[in-house]
Amino acid sequence: DIQMTQSPSSLSASVGDRVTITCRASQSISSSLNWYQQKPGKAPNLLIYSASSLQSGVPSRFTGGGSGTDFTLTISSLQPEDFATYYCQQSYSIPHTFGQGTRLDIK
Amino acid sequence: QVQLQESGPGLVKPSETLSLTCTVSGGSISSYYWSWIRQPPGKGLEWIGFIFYTGSTSYNPSLKSRVTISVDTYNNQFSLKLSSVTAADTAVYYCARHPSATGAKFDPWGQGTLVTVSS
Repeated sequence: DIQMTQSPSSLSASVGDRVTITCRASQSISSSLNWYQQKPGKAPNLLIYSASSLQSGVPSRFTGGGSGTDFTLTISSLQPEDFATYYCQQSYSIPHTFGQGTRLDIK
Repeated sequence: QVQLQESGPGLVKPSETLSLTCTVSGGSISSYYWSWIRQPPGKGLEWIGFIFYTGSTSYNPSLKSRVTISVDTYNNQFSLKLSSVTAADTAVYYCARHPSATGAKFDPWGQGTLVTVSS
């Protein structure tokens, strides 16, 4: 199985801040990396697919980057609704695997 | 737009079989892959397996011996059975759609249903 490791595990930031979350795969996964946002009591919501493609309806302040083993999710200017937990997921091989999550809290 | 809704018992006894159904509305179950994903309380996400509308399946090796996923195209539903459950199977179970087996992006998801394993 491909292991996905996110950093940091938690992060405190303020509205308006620029934040970056990192996801590292245990082997190369090309650009087969997706990012999800999950709010408490809700299902995850797809933000970014294929490492850098913005899902329809997702604000442009979310950007994804990287390829191979190292990937990033950047939120350019945090909004109150962005405080949530973020997960990366590799879709390169089965079984599909997720990172452990990054919890983004209000400072 | 397509919506998914999980249904099934919220409480299952240890050693018994967990059974859930995902009903797809607003679109056809055909031409897509359909997955089950679970999340233990306070923990991360685990992919359980998928089924294609034709009936072909793929399961997570960690659960393969206990999992069966089936599809009912007539009723636009697919189902999960997980046998010999223990407390470690307590989780919110989600169903989700994806357009391919690999390169899978899960969207949309159902709202999730909590299944507790307890006597």
